[in-house]
Amino acid sequence: DTGVSQDPRHKITKRGQNVTFRCDPISEHNRLYWYRQTLGQGPEFLTYFQNEAQLEKSRLLSNRFSAERPKGSFSTLEIQRTEQGDSAMYLCASTLGGGSRGQETQYFGPGTRLLVL
Amino acid sequence: GNSVTQMEGPVTLSEEAFLTINCTYTATGYPSLFWYVQYPGEGLQLLLKATKADDKGSNKGFEATYRKETTSFHLEKGSVQVSDSAVYFCALSVNTGGFKTIFGAGTRLFVKA
Repeated sequence: DTGVSQDPRHKITKRGQNVTFRCDPISEHNRLYWYRQTLGQGPEFLTYFQNEAQLEKSRLLSNRFSAERPKGSFSTLEIQRTEQGDSAMYLCASTLGGGSRGQETQYFGPGTRLLVL
Repeated sequence: GNSVTQMEGPVTLSEEAFLTINCTYTATGYPSLFWYVQYPGEGLQLLLKATKADDKGSNKGFEATYRKETTSFHLEKGSVQVSDSAVYFCALSVNTGGFKTIFGAGTRLFVKA
């Protein structure tokens, strides 16, 4: 257990429905990341927060995806009008950032596995 | 751009064999390099890291050396155990205004008793 939790662990939904995932990082960590991982691939970066500010978004993040970190603590990732191609594992990671070269260790949650039927 | 290429798996070894998993990278800038591991049924966790050229990261008998001249960060272990069976991901982090981490596709290792 890394100290990062995600909820739910599994989600099955029908195409066109909206889903929301939650991530609770390690409490003192100021940086929070969302990744998507499909079978047989490494995690792909989606977006990144420093405190409550969303500083970077991947081109993978279509306008159906939105993420928030309202008080700089937990974060939510919402997918609107889900498509079958959204089926994947969604991972959250947190780190105590401060270095200039991204050398901090990221602590990953267990992930939310999404299946869109 | 920034990318990581690692050897395809699966890699199957007998217990006590020598392990090498190759990893090369391209980066626009000076990256930090990582190996993460995912054991069956568990989340990703850091195995080791190196933040500057010629640094050697090590943990649990695994080692990797940051080779800037060959843009490589190969993972090695002298004697693998059944409990090392997992998926290993090579990764880099570079300052692009943020610090996103770029992962390789992963290499699955099976160790037979």
